[in-house]
Amino acid sequence: DIQMTQSPSSLSASVGDRVTITCRASQDISNYLAWLQQKPGKAPKSLIYAASSLQSGVPSKFSGSGSGTDFTLTISSLQPEDFAIYYCQQYNAYPYTFGQGTKLEIK
Amino acid sequence: QVQLVQSGAEVKKPGASVKVSCKASGYTFTRHHISWVRQASGQGLEWMGWMDPDSGDTGYAQKFQGRVTMTRSTSISTAYMELSSLRSEDTAVYYCARGPKVWGQGTLVSVSS
Repeated sequence: DIQMTQSPSSLSASVGDRVTITCRASQDISNYLAWLQQKPGKAPKSLIYAASSLQSGVPSKFSGSGSGTDFTLTISSLQPEDFAIYYCQQYNAYPYTFGQGTKLEIK
Repeated sequence: QVQLVQSGAEVKKPGASVKVSCKASGYTFTRHHISWVRQASGQGLEWMGWMDPDSGDTGYAQKFQGRVTMTRSTSISTAYMELSSLRSEDTAVYYCARGPKVWGQGTLVSVSS
């Protein structure tokens, strides 16, 4: 199975800040990497797919980059609604696997 | 729009089975695999398996082999996930997903005596 290692596991930031979350795959997954946002009591929401493609309706403050094994999610100009848990997911091969999540909290 | 709508919350006793449904709309059901993912309270996302709605082919995470069955009804564009021999550790929200992009709203399954 492909292991996904996400860091940091938690992150404290202020409104207006820019933050970066990283995800590393245990083997080459090309660009089959998605970023998901999850708020309490809600289903995960797709933000980015194919490593850098923005899901329709998602604001451009979210951006993704990387290929192969190393990926990043950047969120610029943080707003209160951005504080949530973020997961990476590889969909290069079954079993699809997730990072352990990054909890983004307000400082 | 593309949507996955799941069945409602379930309460089951240990040893019982549960069957969760996931109705697809807004796209051709047979053209995209459906995955199932679960999340225990306060925990991360755990992938359970996949199903090809066209062929019925399935693949399950090793952890769930022998206890999970994924099926579909193409006539009503609905996928199903059945989990048997339930134990308290199976209490979780269960999601269906189409790739990484489209997610159902989740179904809470509670297992308690």
